[in-house]
Amino acid sequence: KNQVEQSPQSLIILEGKNCTLQCNYTVSPFSNLRWYKQDTGRGPVSLTIMTFSENTKSNGRYTATLDADTKQSSLHITASQLSDSASYICVVSSYNQGGKLIFGQGTELSVKP
Amino acid sequence: DGGITQSPKYLFRKEGQNVTLSCEQNLNHDAMYWYRQDPGQGLRLIYYSQIVNDFQKGDIAEGYSVSREKKESFPLTVTSAQKNPTAFYLCASSSRDRGLDGNTEAFFGQGTRLTVV
Repeated sequence: KNQVEQSPQSLIILEGKNCTLQCNYTVSPFSNLRWYKQDTGRGPVSLTIMTFSENTKSNGRYTATLDADTKQSSLHITASQLSDSASYICVVSSYNQGGKLIFGQGTELSVKP
Repeated sequence: DGGITQSPKYLFRKEGQNVTLSCEQNLNHDAMYWYRQDPGQGLRLIYYSQIVNDFQKGDIAEGYSVSREKKESFPLTVTSAQKNPTAFYLCASSSRDRGLDGNTEAFFGQGTRLTVV
């Protein structure tokens, strides 16, 4: 069964600190992996998208890594800000399912002053 | 101003009523999706459509119906058969993946919060 598992489920850090969120998937055949940020009551917004040939991609203070062999990805947030408080969702797409997206349950990040 | 628009933002439904949530996109995307999000849970796929006049059931399609008469529009009807419809509903669209080098982007609307009263 195609699945996407994220850890931790929730995380609290102090402003200015770094953190790393994890994503493991069993989706096959793999097409691409995305990280989204979702503020409370809003739609998810894309942070990064990586295909199987990419192993790292950055978007400002967000850096995503991908290991297609072990089917793991991580999202590293540097110098966290209060506005980083949100749910971070890992999403995997399988190319033979017409672009159907398979979502992880999200990691709820809270950045405290 | 390109994007994907959901309306209304908040919707209240009496028990036994059908309601329709609107989703419109002007991104020329082939694929459109409807998801349901409940507190503390990941998004669950209700229906998706890869092309006009065609749609597929997702993981939790019971009690819902959709249509795809136009490329730009993918309305979702929550019927009275849906036993627990109170949730946050998200619509998304993407261009179709094109193989192993697919690098498609998916865009989400801002969601509709449906409450049964």
